[in-house]
Amino acid sequence: AQSVTQPDIHITVSEGASLELRCNYSYGATPYLFWYVQSPGQGLQLLLKYFSGDTLVQGIKGFEAEFKRSQSSFNLRKPSVHWSDAAEYFCAVGDTFNAGGTSYGKLTFGQGTILTVHP
Amino acid sequence: NAGVTQTPKFQVLKTGQSMTLQCAQDMNHEYMSWYRQDPGMGLRLIHYSVGAGITDQGEVPNGYNVSRSTTEDFPLRLLSAAPSQTSVYFCASSYDYNSPLHFGNGTRLTVT
Repeated sequence: AQSVTQPDIHITVSEGASLELRCNYSYGATPYLFWYVQSPGQGLQLLLKYFSGDTLVQGIKGFEAEFKRSQSSFNLRKPSVHWSDAAEYFCAVGDTFNAGGTSYGKLTFGQGTILTVHP
Repeated sequence: NAGVTQTPKFQVLKTGQSMTLQCAQDMNHEYMSWYRQDPGMGLRLIHYSVGAGITDQGEVPNGYNVSRSTTEDFPLRLLSAAPSQTSVYFCASSYDYNSPLHFGNGTRLTVT
């Protein structure tokens, strides 16, 4: 079964500093990988996803992530963090299955990384 | 555009009580799912559905029932609540594997 590990429970950065959130996955085939963000009291919002092709993917809000198959990693980065980026971030791997001629994905999430931004 | 709507937002139950968490989406998504979120454990899949009349178990299905009588609604039932079911519950839907999951704002459930 697939699994996702986010080694850092809590990260604190200063506003304007660069950010990297780590994500390691375990999956038998080519993984479908995602990063979601959750603001307090809200549901999750998709930041970016990787299905195939270019291993560096761009997302919303200035985030990017790089897929490294050799390291089973999909780390999230941002060159300059804004105070509004403070939130909890979840990495996820998708397991696809077919039903009624349509492919669907079941997501397995990591434990989450809480990002605090200091002014 | 309402998206995914969950009710109630908050609920307190006593051990042994039953209740239903409601989830409705207006995007005509066939795929719907329920997750629970616990500190340090991320989100874990409880049940999911790929259309009316079709449901299946996820990672942590014990103690929960679901049904899907319409495309729009996917209620989650707790038949006999236990303190271990204290959690935040999220409903999510999507069109297919290539489209993002749309999440509701969650239901915070406390079982005493």
